[in-house]
Amino acid sequence: QSVLTQPPSVSGAPGQRVTLSCTGSSSNIGAHYDVHWYQQLPGTAPKLLIYVNNNRPSGVPDRFSGSKSGTSASLAISGLQAEDEADYYCQSFDSSLGVVFGGGTKLTVL
Amino acid sequence: EVLLVESGGGLVQPGRSLRLSCTGSGFTFGDNHMSWFRQAPGKGLEWIGFIKSKTYGETTEYAASIKGRFTITRDDSKNIAYLQMNSLKIEDTAVYYCTKLGGSYADYWGQGTLVTVSS
Repeated sequence: QSVLTQPPSVSGAPGQRVTLSCTGSSSNIGAHYDVHWYQQLPGTAPKLLIYVNNNRPSGVPDRFSGSKSGTSASLAISGLQAEDEADYYCQSFDSSLGVVFGGGTKLTVL
Repeated sequence: EVLLVESGGGLVQPGRSLRLSCTGSGFTFGDNHMSWFRQAPGKGLEWIGFIKSKTYGETTEYAASIKGRFTITRDDSKNIAYLQMNSLKIEDTAVYYCTKLGGSYADYWGQGTLVTVSS
């Protein structure tokens, strides 16, 4: 059971916009700790996708955006492409547990 | 280009020890905090711990699940971070990733090294 809750799977057609959620609590996201997102393509190491809630590292397309409100955060992907098919993980910090992750969301591009 | 290369993984019996190494290049290793994560087969990501830079006293923090068994150290003269794993359990079987910390997030990841704990 992960500290942050993510839906196990999300799907969308090419060109569509999808939103992945990440729900925490008052001891992590709700305590104003930042949320970060990682993309893990099949068979590869995770890669930083969004940091500090809504910032993109160099090289990450602006189709990816992050937001945070209250005890939750979201990752939006617009103009969905086949290459976006991957597992996505949210990460934050918990005042009791340290660095925490969501269980991951598998994105399928139909 | 930032590169992190893990080594030292392999098959080990329950109760034994193993030390993983992470060699960094393409950045000033000694100025950066380093962290280890792992991913069990078919499962999600799990934080193991981190070690701050020498400027911050090489302070370490660990996840409760491995505290007391795993230790992170660093040798800045060699650009290497280590993960010493003792009293290994079957449930420690995972791919272990070394990362550079950009703040409270891992901005660069190694390719990972597989540790299999089995008799």
